[in-house]
This record gives sequence, C-alpha cells and structure tokens, in this order.
Amino acid sequence: NAGVTQTPKFRVLKTGQSMTLLCAQDMNHEYMYWYRQDPGMGLRLIHYSVGEGTTAKGEVPDGYNVSRLKKQNFLLGLESAAPSQTSVYFCASRPRLAGGYNEQFFGPGTRLTVL
Amino acid sequence: SQKIEQNSEALNIQEGKTATLTCNYTNYSPAYLQWYRQDPGRGPVFLLLIRENEKEKRKERLKVTFDTTLKQSLFHITASQPADSATYLCALINNAGNMLTFGGGTRLMVKP
Repeated sequence: NAGVTQTPKFRVLKTGQSMTLLCAQDMNHEYMYWYRQDPGMGLRLIHYSVGEGTTAKGEVPDGYNVSRLKKQNFLLGLESAAPSQTSVYFCASRPRLAGGYNEQFFGPGTRLTVL
Repeated sequence: SQKIEQNSEALNIQEGKTATLTCNYTNYSPAYLQWYRQDPGRGPVFLLLIRENEKEKRKERLKVTFDTTLKQSLFHITASQPADSATYLCALINNAGNMLTFGGGTRLMVKP
C-alpha cells in the first residue's frame, strides 16, 4: 500500500496563478483533511471531508476550495494564489471507526512558494 | 479562543536521559489527546492517543500523561537516543471527533 500520496511535491507560482494539489489514499478511509504548516505555527486545518461528495471548512479556509468526487481523492485548489499562501501543505486521512478518535495518516507534503 | 501551547524552544538532552515535553491548552475541553512525531521534510506520524479518563499511557520507551485539571499533557521518552531527534506535536480532538487542533511542536535534539 502506498498510504497517502500527494502531487506535486514542490511548486512555485506567481501571484494570481491557480493550481490544484492532489491527495490520494489507498486505505479506503472515509475522512480526509488538508492542512498547511508554517514555521512556528504548527498544522492548521484548511478543509476536510467526512465522505465522498462532502466537504467542510476548517480553521483557515479562505482562498482555498476543495472537492471530493471520489473516495480516494481529495483536491485542494487555489484560484488566485497569494504570497501568504506560501507554505507546506499536508494531506491526511483516517477511517471512520467507532469513537472517531483514531489516528490520522499523513502524506509527505507539498512545498508551495508563491512569488 | 482555543489555544494549544508547546515550548517553541528546542529541547537539547544527552543520550540516555529522559526527555519531557509539555503541551498546555486553554479554552478547550478535549476528550482525547494525540502525540505525533515529525521528521524534517516529512509528514507527522502518530505515536500515542490518551483519553481524558486515562491518567497515563505507555508504549515502549514512550509515556504520556493527561491532566484535565491542569489542562496539560506531558510526553516522556526514556533512555533517549539520537534517533529520537525530531519535532513532537500534540493535538487535541474536538467533541465531534472529526477535527484535530495541533500545537506548534517542540523540537527535540538528543546528543550522543
């Protein structure tokens, strides 16, 4: 099993450009998450999904959109990139188990720079 | 507002000693708390989960305590090794169980 994979690994954008980050998981997990990580600020939740076709806002959703058309994929879109969106983006997934408090499995991250 | 604090300064210890990392939170009533390890350039990896009714949890050389009165969790690594050097993140789970809120992490450096 590949676990959680993210595409691309690195990307440089100019202000105003758009792009989509792809997250894929092969563990049949119901829940998927997108985080950003900035120095000294830990991981902050952008959007998440509790199942195919459903999405919800996290702590810092502005400037981002997401889609979950297939259970195994969770896409994060930047419609008009801004320098403030320079960050490392992590995708995570977890199964829907009884209690719901189980671990999240993280991808390797995408390093995005917006000039 | 909810706040989770971890010591932002790196913790430097000698190999063989016990490392103790702290996670404090305010304006939060979590039922569960998790600890993750993150190596440079990689995603976090889950280590331990502790429930509010569990005072202590152990896994090999790792020990976590959870004091809901003090609103604090302590993470201990006994007999530390250079391979334990990493950033350690604590995370609190919301009541619905669908979201994690992370602390900023503490970097641990174990010197041989």
